[in-house]
Amino acid sequence: NAGVTQTPKFRVLKTGQSMTLLCAQDMNHEYMYWYRQDPGMGLRLIHYSVGEGTTAKGEVPDGYNVSRLKKQNFLLGLESAAPSQTSVYFCASSYGRSVHEQFFGPGTRLTVL
Amino acid sequence: AQTVTQSQPEMSVQEAETVTLSCTYDTSESDYYLFWYKQPPSRQMILVIRQEAYKQQNATENRFSVNFQKAAKSFSLKISDSQLGDAAMYFCAYRPGNTGGFKTIFGAGTRLFVKA
Repeated sequence: NAGVTQTPKFRVLKTGQSMTLLCAQDMNHEYMYWYRQDPGMGLRLIHYSVGEGTTAKGEVPDGYNVSRLKKQNFLLGLESAAPSQTSVYFCASSYGRSVHEQFFGPGTRLTVL
Repeated sequence: AQTVTQSQPEMSVQEAETVTLSCTYDTSESDYYLFWYKQPPSRQMILVIRQEAYKQQNATENRFSVNFQKAAKSFSLKISDSQLGDAAMYFCAYRPGNTGGFKTIFGAGTRLFVKA
């Protein structure tokens, strides 16, 4: 099993450009999450999904959109990138909520110039 | 709102020694879960240990154990017999119970250095 994979691993964008980050999991998990990690801070939840076709806002959703058309995939989109979105992005999945372990992907380092 | 505080930005320990990383949290809920995650230079987040708030017994996973003080809202991680491979960022995290929201609150992290 590959676990949770993220594509791409690195990306550099110019302000105003758009891009999509892809997260895939092969563990048949219902729950999936997108976090961002900034220096000196822990991870912050951007959006999450509790099942195929459902998405919800997390702590810092502004400037991002998500889609979960297939159970195994969770896409994070930036429609018009801003320098404030320079960060490391992590995807995670879990079987359930609360006590259930979240399995994390390797992260995507995004730089917006 | 819930908060998680890790007051030690950096810690250092000699190989084979014991080190304790501190974490305090604030919540008005009674049902919640606490976690410690390890993030090595590879960036991969790895679950180290978890604690259910309703359990009085402290969780233990091999060389890793916690000191969970619910009344004091404290959740420290003890690493015994430290190894070079333990060097990493460690994050304390809080997650509400099943009747709460989905937001996992992470602390700012503690960077652990292990000296040979």
